[in-house]
Amino acid sequence: GDSVTQMEGPVTLSEEACLTINCTYTATGYPSLFWYVQYPGEGLQLLLKATKADDKGSNKGFEATYRKETTSFHLEKGSVQVSDSAVYFCALTMDSNYQLIWGAGTKLIIKP
Amino acid sequence: EPEVTQTPSHQVTQMGQEVILRCVPISNHLYFYWYRQILGQKVEFLVSFYNNEISEKSEIFDDQFSVERPDGSNFTLKIRSTKLEDSAMYFCASEGRLDSLLAGYTFGSGTRLTVV
Repeated sequence: GDSVTQMEGPVTLSEEACLTINCTYTATGYPSLFWYVQYPGEGLQLLLKATKADDKGSNKGFEATYRKETTSFHLEKGSVQVSDSAVYFCALTMDSNYQLIWGAGTKLIIKP
Repeated sequence: EPEVTQTPSHQVTQMGQEVILRCVPISNHLYFYWYRQILGQKVEFLVSFYNNEISEKSEIFDDQFSVERPDGSNFTLKIRSTKLEDSAMYFCASEGRLDSLLAGYTFGSGTRLTVV
């Protein structure tokens, strides 16, 4: 079945470091891809999305490009801040049912 | 910015008791969902709801679970006889789907259910 695989955390970085969180997917068709973020004590917030190959989603300095050839949607940010500390979830959905299929989440810890 | 509101934020219940988790979706949204996340595990789909009926449900959503939209604003998840393994964070989400999911879901902050 369809699935999402994320790199395991926690990922610990210093402020202003570059971030990459890997996400790969398996899907029978052409999914839409999402990154959600969960800040401590809060709900799941949509960070960015891409709905077709080569689309780039971006928000708050984060970017991810939908790569069909490598079935990937890696999350990147050039310079992280302490406030970026959160759990990041990669997810996909198919047009057929709109259910979100989730990765396991990657906890990001940014130290000052 | 419109929000999805979930209450309570934390519920502790004894095994075998009924619980009702409440959600107030965004007012002009039409599609509603429940997901859950057992501690340390992936977020899992439970059920989707549209036009006052269940659209889809997962294998997790057995006869012990039910959903309702009793008054046009609240969207509830009921677990009739809770089990220890029902302990999880339960997330409600709503979606307007004006542009084919391009907007994405809006999630609530979750209800942490602890069954003892």
